[in-house]
Amino acid sequence: AQRVTQPEKLLSVFKGAPVELKCNYSYSGSPELFWYVQYSRQRLQLLLRHISRESIKGFTADLNKGETSFHLKKPFAQEEDSAMYYCALGYAGGTSYGKLTFGQGTILTVHP
Amino acid sequence: NAGVTQTPKFQVLKTGQSMTLQCAQDMNHEYMSWYRQDPGMGLRLIHYSVGAGITDQGEVPNGYNVSRSTTEDFPLRLLSAAPSQTSVYFCASRLRQGHYEQYFGPGTRLTVT
Repeated sequence: AQRVTQPEKLLSVFKGAPVELKCNYSYSGSPELFWYVQYSRQRLQLLLRHISRESIKGFTADLNKGETSFHLKKPFAQEEDSAMYYCALGYAGGTSYGKLTFGQGTILTVHP
Repeated sequence: NAGVTQTPKFQVLKTGQSMTLQCAQDMNHEYMSWYRQDPGMGLRLIHYSVGAGITDQGEVPNGYNVSRSTTEDFPLRLLSAAPSQTSVYFCASRLRQGHYEQYFGPGTRLTVT
């Protein structure tokens, strides 16, 4: 079955330190991977997607099909990065519209 | 565009009561869905719809009903509220087939006592 695993419920770092939020997925086909973020008192929003290979707010994520991972990284964390982060897997799933499965989420706290 | 809107923002129900959570989007998106967010469980799909008149069950559909009479609206009905339905509920929409970017509503925090 398709699954997304975020092994860390909570992650704490200090400002300026590197941060990596882990995401592993299980899917035998060609997946589309996403990171969504929810800042305090804001709605959940798309942070980045693997197909665009972009850097958003200093975050990057590389799809590693061999390790079935899509870890989110930032070299120097900022206090404003504190938020809940969800990894999500998009796949065809036998339907024309495709399915989107979310991981359990990781709460990132960046201390001053 | 208002995007995805949800009402109410907060609701307290007694066990056994019924209610409807409202969701609307003004982006002409075909696909709409309802999630619940629980600590340690992430976002779990309750029901979804790929267009007006078409709905289907997600991962945790029990205790909930949906309908999609228009493209814009996708209400979620709790038939007989239970404490296990205490959660934050998010409505989301996405454009059409093959588009995975979802737009989320602000959420409804529901407490069932």
